[in-house]
Amino acid sequence: GAVVSQHPSWVICKSGTSVKIECRSLDFQATTMFWYRQFPKQSLMLMATSNEGSKATYEQGVEKDKFLINHASLTLSTLTVTSAHPEDSSFYICRGQVEDTEAFFGQGTRLTVV
Amino acid sequence: AQKVTQAQTEISVVEKEDVTLDCVYETRDTTYYLFWYKQPPSGELVFLIRRNSFDEQNEISGRYSWNFQKSTSSFNFTITASQVVDSAVYFCALSEADNFNKFYFGSGTKLNVKP
Repeated sequence: GAVVSQHPSWVICKSGTSVKIECRSLDFQATTMFWYRQFPKQSLMLMATSNEGSKATYEQGVEKDKFLINHASLTLSTLTVTSAHPEDSSFYICRGQVEDTEAFFGQGTRLTVV
Repeated sequence: AQKVTQAQTEISVVEKEDVTLDCVYETRDTTYYLFWYKQPPSGELVFLIRRNSFDEQNEISGRYSWNFQKSTSSFNFTITASQVVDSAVYFCALSEADNFNKFYFGSGTKLNVKP
C-alpha cells in the first residue's frame, strides 16, 4: 500500500533552536498534506493543511510563523518548528491525501525540547 | 461541540476476552465517512476501517468487527478473543461532505490486554 515516510522518528533539541520534520510520499503524489500534533495521552489535533505549491492553511491558535510548512512538491512536505521551546515538545504526525481517497499517515516524530 | 466522542478513556481486559470500544459521532451532513485507527506504543497510526454513511452493513475482518448504527450515531468496534498485541490506543474519526479530507478525531481509548 501507499506509504508516507516521516523523518526523523525522534529528535531532541535545545530550547531556541529550529527543527525540521520531513514527510515524503513514497509511491503516490500527495496533493494535500495534513500536519497534526499530539500531546501525551491526548488526541490528534490538526495544525495545518498544505496543498502543493500554495501556502498552508493553519488552524485557529496555531502560530504560522512558528510552525513553518513547506509543500514544494507532490512528494515532499516539511514542518519546521522555529525557536522551539519545551512546551513544543510533542508528537508530530503528517498525513498524505490523494483527492478523496484513503489517508496515509507518517510514522510520527517525537520532539523533545530541553 | 465535540464531533466524535469516545467516552471510554481506558479499558483493561484479560487475553481472550471480547471488548467493545464505543464511538459516538455528531454531524448534520447526510454524507460522511467514519474511521477507526490503531496507535500502538510506537506511535504510528494504523488504518483499520473506513465506512461511508450510506453503508450500514456491519463488517467483520478476522477478530475485528464494527457495528454502525445511524439511529444512535454510533460506530462501535469489537475485538473478539483479544490478544496482548491488541494493546494500543484506538481512535475513531469522522470526515464530512464539505471537506472529506478534514478528519475529526475522538479522544481515543487506550486498550490494555493483559496476559
